[in-house]
Amino acid sequence: AAGVIQSPRHLIKEKRETATLKCYPIPRHDTVYWYQQGPGQDPQFLISFYEKMQSDKGSIPDRFSAQQFSDYHSELNMSSLELGDSALYFCASSFRSRGAYTGELFFGEGSRLTVL
Amino acid sequence: GQQLNQSPQSMFIQEGEDVSMNCTSSSIFNTWLWYKQEPGEGPVLLIALYKAGELTSNGRLTAQFGITRKDSFLNISASIPSDVGIYFCAGQDRSGGSNYKLTFGKGTLLTVNP
Repeated sequence: AAGVIQSPRHLIKEKRETATLKCYPIPRHDTVYWYQQGPGQDPQFLISFYEKMQSDKGSIPDRFSAQQFSDYHSELNMSSLELGDSALYFCASSFRSRGAYTGELFFGEGSRLTVL
Repeated sequence: GQQLNQSPQSMFIQEGEDVSMNCTSSSIFNTWLWYKQEPGEGPVLLIALYKAGELTSNGRLTAQFGITRKDSFLNISASIPSDVGIYFCAGQDRSGGSNYKLTFGKGTLLTVNP
C-alpha cells in the first residue's frame, strides 16, 4: 500500500540558509501534519492542514511556513536556519472527511535536516 | 498544554519475556495510539484505541484504553529481538480546537537480549 512520501530524506544546510521539505500524503488522505523530532526527543507538533487550509498550529517558529497544495501535497519552508533546527522532520497524513475519521495518523520516513 | 507521562523510560529484557509500558495524562483523550520507531525511521502505528475500557490486540501486542480516558498501557508478550525500538504512546483530543493533532509521550526504549 502507498505510504506517506517525504523528500529529501537528508538535507545539509549552512546557518542562515533556507530549506524546503516536501510531503506527499497517502492517496485520498485530506489532512497533513508536520512534526519535528530532535535527537532523543519525542515528535513535537508544528502545524497541520485540512483540505488545504491551516488547521492547527503548534510550536512552529515564525521563520518556518507551510502550505498544502491543490493536489494535497504539503511543503515546509524553513528560513534563516539555526543550528537548533537540526532534527528529523516528519510528515503524517490522515483521512478526516465525511465522518470516516478514525484518528489514525500515518507517518512518513522523515527528512533529516542538518544545519552546519 | 497537555502532557503525557510515559514509563518506563527504557527497558532491557531477555528474549521471550513479556513487556509492559504505560502512559498517563493530566487530561482526557478521545483516542490513544501506540507507535514504534526504529532509528532514523518514522513512527509506525501499532494499535489505535477509541473507547474507554477498550482492549485491543495486534499479534503479540495488547493495548488498553483506560476507563478514565487519561491512561493507556501496551503489553508485548514473548518478546523477540526485532521488537527492539522506541515505543511511543500518543493521545488525540478531538474536542474543541485541538484539530486532531497527536501529543506524544517521551517514549520507552526497548532492548531485547537474544
